[in-house]
Amino acid sequence: QKEVEQDPGPLSVPEGAIVSLNCTYSNSAFQYFMWYRQYSRKGPELLMYTYSSGNKEDGRFTAQVDKSSKYISLFIRDSQPSDSATYLCAMIKAAGNKLTFGGGTRVLVKP
Amino acid sequence: KAGVTQTPRYLIKTRGQQVTLSCSPISGHRSVSWYQQTPGQGLQFLFEYFSETQRNKGNFPGRFSGRQFSNSRSEMNVSTLELGDSALYLCASSPTPGLAGGRDEQFFGPGTRLTVL
Repeated sequence: QKEVEQDPGPLSVPEGAIVSLNCTYSNSAFQYFMWYRQYSRKGPELLMYTYSSGNKEDGRFTAQVDKSSKYISLFIRDSQPSDSATYLCAMIKAAGNKLTFGGGTRVLVKP
Repeated sequence: KAGVTQTPRYLIKTRGQQVTLSCSPISGHRSVSWYQQTPGQGLQFLFEYFSETQRNKGNFPGRFSGRQFSNSRSEMNVSTLELGDSALYLCASSPTPGLAGGRDEQFFGPGTRLTVL
């Protein structure tokens, strides 16, 4: 069983809809949580970074962390076709650079 | 500010050969991490270098190795290539080796796509 599980999708939504993505993890040692977006033929780019349980908002993006349930979410409001990409959750156990990634969810926002 | 650059972008090799990939981090960044991305296994951590020293290593065989130079540029080498080594190899740089409670983002390069025939 992988340490971080993420539904591969694809997730298809109409433009303007809310996109809801989530990951579950098994190891309570994970302390830092990130969401990356990866376009085709590009490297991942960081969207959101959180440490504590709760919500964090940045523009159209909201990240949620529930450490008690070992569950993290990313919500994209007012989705645009340009949001079509693969979204990867990632987490780190301690102050170090070894990111453990989920498998990624492919999102398609239809105009 | 220039981003992370990786060369070459595409590479085709045959089984048994060896390959060297190069990564130039963002200016001023001293930590470089390498990841392998495949459809089956996703993104997996290979190793991390800081100040020419390997700080962290993932669960890959010894055929995978790397090094970092004094100018923070890094190379990774894969010897005796196998078909399963076909993947996108991503390099990421950050100012320091670790988030240390702060937001020390890792910036990824575009990757080198390696195909082993």
